Amino acid sequence: DAGVIQSPRHEVTEMGQEVTLRCKPISGHNSLFWYRQTMMRGLELLIYFNNNVPIDDSGMPEDRFSAKMPNASFSTLKIQPSEPRDSAVYFCASSLAETLAGTDTQYFGPGTRLTVL
Amino acid sequence: GQNIDQPTEMTATEGAIVQINCTYQTSGFNGLFWYQQHAGEAPTFLSYNVLDGLEEKGRFSSFLSRSKGYSYLLLKELQMKDSASYLCAPDLGGANNLFFGTGTRLTVIP
Repeated sequence: DAGVIQSPRHEVTEMGQEVTLRCKPISGHNSLFWYRQTMMRGLELLIYFNNNVPIDDSGMPEDRFSAKMPNASFSTLKIQPSEPRDSAVYFCASSLAETLAGTDTQYFGPGTRLTVL
Repeated sequence: GQNIDQPTEMTATEGAIVQINCTYQTSGFNGLFWYQQHAGEAPTFLSYNVLDGLEEKGRFSSFLSRSKGYSYLLLKELQMKDSASYLCAPDLGGANNLFFGTGTRLTVIP
């Protein structure tokens, strides 16, 4: 398996623009996670899906952020409008966890480095 | 809530042993993950402890004390490639709940 795939790997945009980050989880994995990593705050969970359903989005910083998972093999994280403080590395991860009661290792994608000018 | 404490940075010599500590306070707890993250790369899984005690996996070992809210990662026979950040992540159960600290940046010197 190719592992978790993310695109783009790097994104530079101007304040106010819409940004869409994409993720393809490992085939057969049931849970998908979006994280944001900065030097100051470390790795923060933004939202996670189980069987394509958003379970907990309490980590999403504000209404400018939205995430979707239209099918088992694709998810997007959208920021509209983007702001300089959104600059960070955004990781997508997936795990087998078939139900909410399960705990399985999360496998991370390579990340998208976002810079908002 | 979650409160994770790890040293920010550590330096150790190639061939030596280093212990990276992690203390946590959480409102629920199932186990604890350790991840390794090289600069500019994604975190990768190292270990997952559910029971108290030491679990050894090659040069890396991880220890957990649930009653004390304490874990450590032990790295033996350090190699230059071990220079990375090490993230402690208590698992609060369910498909969701990994809470990562800011990690410990380990630098291995010759």
